[in-house]
Parts: sequence; C-alpha cells; structure tokens
Amino acid sequence: DVKVTQSSRYLVKRTGEKVFLECVQDMDHENMFWYRQDPGLGLRLIYFSYDVKMKEKGDIPEGYSVSREKKERFSLILESASTNQTSMYLCASSLRTSAPYNEQFFGPGTRLTVL
Amino acid sequence: SQKIEQNSEALNIQEGKTATLTCNYTNYSPAYLQWYRQDPGRGPVFLLLIRENEKEKRKERLKVTFDTTLKQSLFHITASQPADSATYLCAEVDFNKFYFGSGTKLNVKP
Repeated sequence: DVKVTQSSRYLVKRTGEKVFLECVQDMDHENMFWYRQDPGLGLRLIYFSYDVKMKEKGDIPEGYSVSREKKERFSLILESASTNQTSMYLCASSLRTSAPYNEQFFGPGTRLTVL
Repeated sequence: SQKIEQNSEALNIQEGKTATLTCNYTNYSPAYLQWYRQDPGRGPVFLLLIRENEKEKRKERLKVTFDTTLKQSLFHITASQPADSATYLCAEVDFNKFYFGSGTKLNVKP
C-alpha cells in the first residue's frame, strides 16, 4: 500500500519560530509537492520538487523554503512563522513520466496553528 | 491565469439519488482534469482523470464528463450512499503542476 507520511498531524507554534514540516513517501516518486489548504481557497501550491536537490516555486512561496536532500523526503520550512501561516499543510508525491497526468498521492496533512 | 471554480455551497441529496458536482474553468481548456475525494482530516484521494478529447469517463458508480464548449466538467455519483459524503475536488493538470478548485462538499442523507 503506497504511503505518504507527514511528521505531525497537529502543531502549535509561536510567532517568529522556525518550523519544520517533514514529508516522506515510500513509492520512489520523483515529484513531491507542498500545498496549504484554507477554507474557500482550496489547495494552493507552495513549492514542488521534481528531483533531489531540485525545487521550484509554486503560487505562494513567500515565507517558505524547502529542502530535498533525499528522494523520499521533502521538507517545508517556515523561516519565521506568522499567524497568517496558520493552515492545513498537505504533502503529495507523484511519478514523473512523459505523461503529464499522473495522479498525486497525498499525506494526511499537518494542521499548523501559529499563535 | 487559469482559475478552477467549484460551487462552494454544500450539495445535500437523498440516498439512492444521483449527485452531480460541477467544475468550471475560466480560460484555456485544460488538457486533463482530475477528480479527488477528501474526507475530513485527511488528504485528497484520486478518483478519475478525463482528457480533453474524451467526452465521458466511467468507474463503477462514478462518471465524469468534459465539455470544452461550456468550459465545464461534471462529476456524477449514481445510486449515492451516505458513505459517499465527502468533499470532492477537481484539478487541472499541467504537466507536473496541479491547480485545484476549492471543492464541493457532498452530504448524502439516509
């Protein structure tokens, strides 16, 4: 059974803290993604990576950075957490093939609250 | 830029009826659209994909249509069950990037 796991289901941090969200997939997928999901706004892409040490900005990268040192692991970093980063964070992975329509496999999400 | 729009109001239907959910896009016709199901507190799960040149795709009780004239995809669940209650998301697929709608919540009442 394919699996994407995220390090925490719930996280509470204080404004200004550095926050690390970890994601691990066991499917040997090349592509990995970080989204945030907010009511009425849907899933918005923060960053994605199509290979180790490669990353590309999504639609809302400001205030975030990412790290991909190993194929199976993709980390999202909030350099200095702010209250407007309170959200549900979802990690996903997919195969990278010539077909542009591969499904994404999602983790369970991390609900982050910044106080 | 492209925008994927889904009805933000919940859809309430009676068990056994057909549920129909709508996904509209505003600009260019996407080559592919995917539909996902999301349960509370969980990540989305892939259901179906439809290509631009396909009019219809089926999988068990699920059916997806793609109308490039109307700039719309419809997602149908026939013989709906309370277990079908969830939020359904559509997504445009542009090579390795995905653009999701905000989802429509479906409530199937017994």
